[in-house]
Amino acid sequence: DAGVTQSPTHLIKTRGQHVTLRCSPISGHKSVSWYQQVLGQGPQFIFQYYEKEERGRGNFPDRFSARQFPNYSSELNVNALLLGDSALYLCASSPVLRGTYEQYFGPGTRLTVT
Amino acid sequence: GQQLNQSPQSMFIQEGEDVSMNCTSSSIFNTWLWYKQEPGEGPVLLIALYKAGELTSNGRLTAQFGITRKDSFLNISASIPSDVGIYFCAGGGKLIFGQGTELSVKP
Repeated sequence: DAGVTQSPTHLIKTRGQHVTLRCSPISGHKSVSWYQQVLGQGPQFIFQYYEKEERGRGNFPDRFSARQFPNYSSELNVNALLLGDSALYLCASSPVLRGTYEQYFGPGTRLTVT
Repeated sequence: GQQLNQSPQSMFIQEGEDVSMNCTSSSIFNTWLWYKQEPGEGPVLLIALYKAGELTSNGRLTAQFGITRKDSFLNISASIPSDVGIYFCAGGGKLIFGQGTELSVKP
């Protein structure tokens, strides 16, 4: 079975631009979460979506937004990119919102802002 | 806010040695997860713990959920070179991660 997939793998943007990252969860998983991982640190929670609704948001500015589609895939959008947005962006899926917190991660999208 | 303190930050061991790392929290967690991340990849789930005092094994890996629900540890027995990577603890529903323990294994 396919795991979590993310696209693109790598991306280079300049300051001020916007970016859209995409994620497809494991088949049957209805919850998708996004994390930012800066080099040398653990992942930081950005958003959680379940059944197309936002169910949690981390301490990130409004430049970050996301949505989940009827097929449970998800997009993360970042506007007005800053140099500090350079990071590995990870998507994770889980089968249900409560009862299990086992989240399965994709390989990530490496974003470089110049 | 909630924080996880993971130690040690790095370990350099000989193949065949046992490894122990732990994670403590300033708050109570109802779930503890342990992940391994290799360069260029996303974290891979190793063990999930759901009950205080729970001891769970996955091959050579053993993890425990602390009685106070504020800590967890991970042991790796008889380490091998492919154990190399960064090990993260994580807790809660919207996962909060530790800083990671970087493991190096010398053949």
